[in-house]
Amino acid sequence: DAKTTQPPSMDCAEGRAANLPCNHSTISGNEYVYWYRQIHSQGPQYIIHGLKNNETNEMASLIITEDRKSSTLILPHATLRDTAVYYCIVRVSGGSNYKLTFGKGTLLTVNP
Amino acid sequence: GAVVSQHPSRVICKSGTSVKIECRSLDFQATTMFWYRQFPKQSLMLMATSNEGSKATYEQGVEKDKFLINHASLTLSTLTVTSAHPEDSSFYICSASEGVKLFFGSGTQLSVL
Repeated sequence: DAKTTQPPSMDCAEGRAANLPCNHSTISGNEYVYWYRQIHSQGPQYIIHGLKNNETNEMASLIITEDRKSSTLILPHATLRDTAVYYCIVRVSGGSNYKLTFGKGTLLTVNP
Repeated sequence: GAVVSQHPSRVICKSGTSVKIECRSLDFQATTMFWYRQFPKQSLMLMATSNEGSKATYEQGVEKDKFLINHASLTLSTLTVTSAHPEDSSFYICSASEGVKLFFGSGTQLSVL
């Protein structure tokens, strides 16, 4: 899996949008960008993934640059419950045996 | 999303004993499951890939005789920590693929006294 780079921590005010950046400059053409988050002492939770188009679901939006070397996860209206470590991971998709390799992630703290 | 159930959520055992952790995919079949370990304030580290009906594939540095993995059915994988020692105390997490997404169990906190 390609390596990703994320800031170690970020802060966000409750109700505001949280924009979490991720660099993946060595991503391959068949690798997708996945975002997971982990709330303290729980298993990681899937958020969203994409290949090259922007994606949106009920949790977040994913913006991938045209050259695919970076992406941004957007939580449109952050709440206190969104405080967690967010992991950006690139992974070959299309098969069940492709593992996820976690980096250090970004600790997002949502403040009241 | 798909549900992965992991049991127990917490276990305390004496040094030298063995502990079994179960991971079940509740509403889908998983030919492949993954086992991770996480130490405090660190990221998840992949231990092994569990393949239904065949031997697990272990990551470099993970002792296969110490961490026994069995994936006997399409919905169940087990991790047995044999002869546990205090340094094995950690948060163990399983995951399973459902389509292109990987879903995770809630984790097992193992404390070895």
